[in-house]
Amino acid sequence: EAQVTQNPRYLITVTGKKLTVTCSQNMNHEYMSWYRQDPGLGLRQIYYSMNVEVTDKGDVPEGYKVSRKEKRNFPLILESPSPNQTSLYFCASSAILGTTNTEAFFGQGTRLTVV
Amino acid sequence: AQSVSQHNHHVILSEAASLELGCNYSYGGTVNLFWYVQYPGQHLQLLLKYFSGDPLVKGIKGFEAEFIKSKFSFNLRKPSVQWSDTAEYFCAVLYNQGGKLIFGQGTELSVKP
Repeated sequence: EAQVTQNPRYLITVTGKKLTVTCSQNMNHEYMSWYRQDPGLGLRQIYYSMNVEVTDKGDVPEGYKVSRKEKRNFPLILESPSPNQTSLYFCASSAILGTTNTEAFFGQGTRLTVV
Repeated sequence: AQSVSQHNHHVILSEAASLELGCNYSYGGTVNLFWYVQYPGQHLQLLLKYFSGDPLVKGIKGFEAEFIKSKFSFNLRKPSVQWSDTAEYFCAVLYNQGGKLIFGQGTELSVKP
């Protein structure tokens, strides 16, 4: 079954304690991306990756890091989380951009609370 | 800057009413257009997408959208909504130059039985 898997689904942490949210896809997609969803703001792109070892900043990259060492994995790293990073996070993946196969598949989401 | 704007933040309709949700995007070259739906507590699911050809595209659950290039718009429509359509709807634009998939702010649709 084609899917994007995020872990954990829920996480409560304290300010400054490094954390990683994992994302894995089994569709051999080149494109992967992280979004945060906040009420009234929709989904805002944090980082995206066009392929292995190729990453780029989205609209709200501050306070986040990513890596793409393998095609299937795209972890989101918060080196020093702060309360303003409390949000719902989604990972997405897609086939090569601009083709008729382009469609973003989303993970189930990770609800992060930073206290 | 590339951006996507949805006109309505919250729409309340009665069952059987017609629906139209607006979406406009800024110019940025070749684009692909999407509408996603998010039911309460769930992740986003694709309703429909436009790449080329007929500007009127049909999606799942009776939804359709029309791409009007001159107006940079991609409005979502449904002739008769049901209570089960209660959800949040997101318009998204993939700017092929640069590879950014940008979402609108979302429109919350509440359908009263």
